[in-house]
Amino acid sequence: DGGITQSPKYLFRKEGQNVTLSCEQNLNHDAMYWYRQDPGQGLRLIYYSQIVNDFQKGDIAEGYSVSREKKESFPLTVTSAQKNPTAFYLCASSIPPGQGITNYGYTFGSGTRLTVV
Amino acid sequence: AQTVTQSQPEMSVQEAETVTLSCTYDTSESNYYLFWYKQPPSRQMILVIRQEAYKQQNATENRFSVNFQKAAKSFSLKISDSQLGDTAMYFCAFMKHPLYSGNTGKLIFGQGTTLQVKP
Repeated sequence: DGGITQSPKYLFRKEGQNVTLSCEQNLNHDAMYWYRQDPGQGLRLIYYSQIVNDFQKGDIAEGYSVSREKKESFPLTVTSAQKNPTAFYLCASSIPPGQGITNYGYTFGSGTRLTVV
Repeated sequence: AQTVTQSQPEMSVQEAETVTLSCTYDTSESNYYLFWYKQPPSRQMILVIRQEAYKQQNATENRFSVNFQKAAKSFSLKISDSQLGDTAMYFCAFMKHPLYSGNTGKLIFGQGTTLQVKP
């Protein structure tokens, strides 16, 4: 079955440590997105990529980095520069906008809960 | 910049009754998509319903329907015959129409409404 796999489900980070969240999709989608979810704030866009080897900052990119070396994979690194990383992180994919489809929408992964210890 | 506002942080409804979740948005765009997503306790985001702004007819998916008022920039979700499995957080979201070139595909979310369906 096609879908998005995020791992790990739970992740604990020590102060000053970088951690990487995995996101893999087998939907053949070109576009991928990372969102952060905090209580009472909805979801906010961290980074997005519309094609391999290209990505753009979202609204809250500071303290995060990404790579897009393969179409299927869009890992997110939470660096030590991110001062408040405890949150729920969601990855999503879609056919890129502008390709002439009408039933547009995201497919989401099941998320990673990151906690600073 | 576009914004999405959900003014009801929490709501509850008795099983089999009808409930309406409110959403308002602000945009200068004339063509766009609006979505309702459901996030149950498993935290998996599930698309409930989608509305294209240029379509005047309100979208319907089984027990879920929307009341789309473009002039008022309002997009409410009605859940009929509520079921225990409808218990979840519901997010309203906005996106510029995907057919416009240069569109990033960014979804702008509201703060969410937690719905509790009581037996």
